[in-house]
Amino acid sequence: EAQVTQNPRYLITVTGKKLTVTCSQNMNHEYMSWYRQDPGLGLRQIYYSMNVEVTDKGDVPEGYKVSRKEKRNFPLILESPSPNQTSLYFCASSVYSKETQYFGPGTRLLVL
Amino acid sequence: AQKVTQAQTEISVVEKEDVTLDCVYETRDTTYYLFWYKQPPSGELVFLIRRNSFDEQNEISGRYSWNFQKSTSSFNFTITASQVVDSAVYFCALSEAENSGNTPLVFGKGTRLSVIA
Repeated sequence: EAQVTQNPRYLITVTGKKLTVTCSQNMNHEYMSWYRQDPGLGLRQIYYSMNVEVTDKGDVPEGYKVSRKEKRNFPLILESPSPNQTSLYFCASSVYSKETQYFGPGTRLLVL
Repeated sequence: AQKVTQAQTEISVVEKEDVTLDCVYETRDTTYYLFWYKQPPSGELVFLIRRNSFDEQNEISGRYSWNFQKSTSSFNFTITASQVVDSAVYFCALSEAENSGNTPLVFGKGTRLSVIA
């Protein structure tokens, strides 16, 4: 089944404790992206990757890192999480950036 | 700058009623894509439709239909004979297509639809 998977689905952590949210797609898509969803603000792009080893900042990149060492994986790294990073995170992928983006199931993160 | 406005924050309808969700967009590009996504209570984002700016034909898929009007910069979504399972937050989104680089989805704030049995 063609899909985007994210892990973990739910995470509670404390300020400053490094964490990684994994994202994997099995559709051989070139383009991958991370969004965060916050009440009243909608969904905003954090980082994106046009292809392997090519990543760049989206609209709200502060406090996040990403890597794209393989086409299928695009992990989101929070080196020192803070409470304002409490959010619902979505990974998405598409054949290339202008095509339909398909989303993972989301990761709910709470930073205490 | 690109922008998507969904003026209806919440809508409640009784089952079997028809309901239209409004979406108005702004863009300077002549080539762009419009999307609708559904977010059910379980939280995932489900793709419903993609429409490019050169195709103004209305689309129908079962009980769902979409009306794209460039003259009013609108891409409205109608659910006919609504069902309880249609209860969700619906997002309209825009992606500009004239540059060769990143084209992130710009989302509206969403419309929460509640269908009451």
